[in-house]
Amino acid sequence: KQEVTQIPAALSVPEGENLVLNCSFTDSAIYNLQWFRQDPGKGLTSLLLIQSSQREQTSGRLNASLDKSSGRSTLYIAASQPGDSATYLCAVKGPGNTGKLIFGQGTTLQVKP
Amino acid sequence: GAGVSQTPSNKVTEKGKYVELRCDPISGHTALYWYRQSLGQGPEFLIYFQGTGAADDSGLPNDRFFAVRPEGSVSTLKIQRTERGDSAVYLCASSQDSFYGYTFGSGTRLTVV
Repeated sequence: KQEVTQIPAALSVPEGENLVLNCSFTDSAIYNLQWFRQDPGKGLTSLLLIQSSQREQTSGRLNASLDKSSGRSTLYIAASQPGDSATYLCAVKGPGNTGKLIFGQGTTLQVKP
Repeated sequence: GAGVSQTPSNKVTEKGKYVELRCDPISGHTALYWYRQSLGQGPEFLIYFQGTGAADDSGLPNDRFFAVRPEGSVSTLKIQRTERGDSAVYLCASSQDSFYGYTFGSGTRLTVV
């Protein structure tokens, strides 16, 4: 059974710092991995999608990496801003024609001005 | 539409009542998913539709929960004899098919009193 873990559960940093959020999964047989952002009381916004054949994806100040063999992904945020404050969730999709995403519990990030 | 629309945004109901939650996916998206998110947790998979049929309903917690998508677009999640433990945010997502990234709606916050 696939399990996804995110560490730390919460993180507080001063504005301008570079930071890394971690995601680990127990079954390396994944189809893709997706990072989402969730603001309080809102739905999920997709940030980056990494296919199993890829090693990383970049969008602006965000960079996500994937190491399938070790069951790990990281989300790197450069030059953090107060507007980055939110909960970040990673989710993996298994192989085959399944729509099921398995989510981690999320990392709640606070960027202080 | 431009995004995934969920109605109502909030629903308060009494224990034992029946509720319906609606999801209007992005036009042309054949895959539709329902997830449930409890406070402080990541979303948990409920059911996945490919077109009109439920391709995977393994996440439905019990037979009080049922979902339909009769014309392959709008979906309704139905909960009978609601219990206080059903209180959560119910999220809907859609995608072009199960191999693409998801777009989530803002969710319906269900409170059973």
